[in-house]
Amino acid sequence: KAGVTQTPRYLIKTRGQQVTLSCSPISGHRSVSWYQQTPGQGLQFLFEYFSETQRNKGNFPGRFSGRQFSNSRSEMNVSTLELGDSALYLCASSSWTSGETQYFGPGTRLLVL
Amino acid sequence: AQTVTQSQPEMSVQEAETVTLSCTYDTSESDYYLFWYKQPPSRQMILVIRQEAYKQQNATENRFSVNFQKAAKSFSLKISDSQLGDAAMYFCAEGFSSNTGKLIFGQGTTLQVKP
Repeated sequence: KAGVTQTPRYLIKTRGQQVTLSCSPISGHRSVSWYQQTPGQGLQFLFEYFSETQRNKGNFPGRFSGRQFSNSRSEMNVSTLELGDSALYLCASSSWTSGETQYFGPGTRLLVL
Repeated sequence: AQTVTQSQPEMSVQEAETVTLSCTYDTSESDYYLFWYKQPPSRQMILVIRQEAYKQQNATENRFSVNFQKAAKSFSLKISDSQLGDAAMYFCAEGFSSNTGKLIFGQGTTLQVKP
């Protein structure tokens, strides 16, 4: 099976802009989770989608949002970008019932200038 | 708050030797899972090993094994016969049946393998 794919891999934006990142899970996986990785805060959970519904969310401002499509592909959107949003954004998919392993994509590196 | 702690920011090991990475966690949940992930310079997170909390037997995957001490809330990773390709950042993570889709990660341990 093909792994988790994320597009784009690299992105440069300026403050105030918005950005959309895409994640395609492993075929058959219905759960997609998103994480932000920064040197200072480490890996932090953003949200999780399952069957097109947000099932769990972390402690991030409302500028961070997401959605999931019927084919389980997911997008996350960050509006009104801030310098502190510069990070590696990772998505992971799982065939989640409970406690299933998450498989990660290669990440999207976002730089906000 | 549930936390995962990796107290060793950096470790080094000689090629072919054995190294142990430490991890402790703090949870009141009864149904949880523990993972070790590896993140090489490519930044791709790769699953190394997984342990269900209800299983007493320590998980093993080839050269990788864990020492799961449930009462002490400790979950260390042992890498035997270290190889140059093992050099990476290693993350300990915890997941919960009651908190779906969310993994809590430690701060990571950078492992250097010396030839």
